[in-house]
Order: sequence, then structure tokens, then C-alpha cells
Amino acid sequence: KAGVTQTPRYLIKTRGQQVTLSCSPISGHRSVSWYQQTPGQGLQFLFEYFSETQRNKGNFPGRFSGRQFSNSRSEMNVSTLELGDSALYLCASSSQGVAFGYTFGSGTRLTVV
Amino acid sequence: KNEVEQSPQNLTAQEGEFITINCSYSVGISALHWLQQHPGGGIVSLFMLSSGKKKHGRLIATINIQEKHSSLHITASHPRDSAVYICAGSPMNRDDKIIFGKGTRLHILP
Repeated sequence: KAGVTQTPRYLIKTRGQQVTLSCSPISGHRSVSWYQQTPGQGLQFLFEYFSETQRNKGNFPGRFSGRQFSNSRSEMNVSTLELGDSALYLCASSSQGVAFGYTFGSGTRLTVV
Repeated sequence: KNEVEQSPQNLTAQEGEFITINCSYSVGISALHWLQQHPGGGIVSLFMLSSGKKKHGRLIATINIQEKHSSLHITASHPRDSAVYICAGSPMNRDDKIIFGKGTRLHILP
């Protein structure tokens, strides 16, 4: 059974650009959640999608957005990139939601220069 | 103050030692998760527990709901156990967000 797939693994972008990250959940999982991890703040929740609807959102500015498609694949978009957006972005999939257990992808490491 | 606090932040031990990592939380949670993150970033979910104790190989996780405290134990530690261990609390309300501790960096010396 394939795990959670995140693409790309590494990305370098320039300040002011925008970026789109992709997450393909485990087959049959309808919940996809996104997290940002930085050395200073640790892991922080960005948002969760369940059956194409955003179910919850963390405390991040509106530059961070996401969506989920009918096949449960999810994308996360960050517009007007700032140096502080450099982080490891992780997604996790679950059959019912984060309270019921989840599997993480390997992450996308974004560097903003 | 973080709603989920872990201790210690860093831990170095010799191979074979018994390891304990602690997690205290100040909010109501439906479940407590222990995660393992190796260098390179990949995160593995080790345990999800809402009461009592769970064991998987050399890893044991316990939770005390009344004291809002959980521990992760590693018996007969090995250098391959070197990783960051993160505890996280799932919310009581499905629409609330999951809360993470800052992690404990464990280094097991051969």
C-alpha cells in the first residue's frame, strides 16, 4: 500500500514568488492536513481538508492557502514568499481526521532566498 | 507557555540505557500521539493513546489522564533510536487543531 507522497522533495524560491506543494494521501484516506516545521517554532498546524472542505485552519496569514481535489489529493500554496517561510512542509493523511491517527509524508523542504 | 510541554529538550545516553521522555499538556485532548522524526525529516507515528499503556517492541507509551501527563520509554536503547521525539495532542473538538510539543532530541552513543 503506497504511503503519503509529497512533491517536490526540495524547492528553492526567491522572495516574492509563489509556490505550490502537492500531497497525495494514502488510497482511501479522505483527510489531508498540512504542517510547517521550523527550528524555532517546531511543528505547527496549517490546515486540514476533509472531502474537499477545509475543516480547520491554524494561525497563519492568508498567504498560505490550500485545496483538496475529489481524488483527495491536496495542494498547498504560499504566495508572496518571505524568507521566514523557509521550512519543512509536511502533510499527513488520515481516514477520518487527525484525532483518529494519521500517516506523514516525507515533506517538502522549501528554501526562500 | 506551550499547551504541550516536553522534557527534556535534549538527551544524550549510552547504548543500552533506559530512556524516558515526558510530555505534559494543559488542555483537554481526545488522544495523545508520539511521533519520531529522523534526520532528513520523515515523521513516523509511534503511538496514539487515550488511556493506559501501549507497547511496541522496545517502545512503551503511557498516559495519565488525571495528571495530563504522558511518557515515552525506550528500553535497551540503540544508536538507531537517535531521533527527535514529538508528542502531540489531538483536540476534543474535531474542528480544533492538533497541538505539538517542541520535541526531544535523543542521541544514543554506541
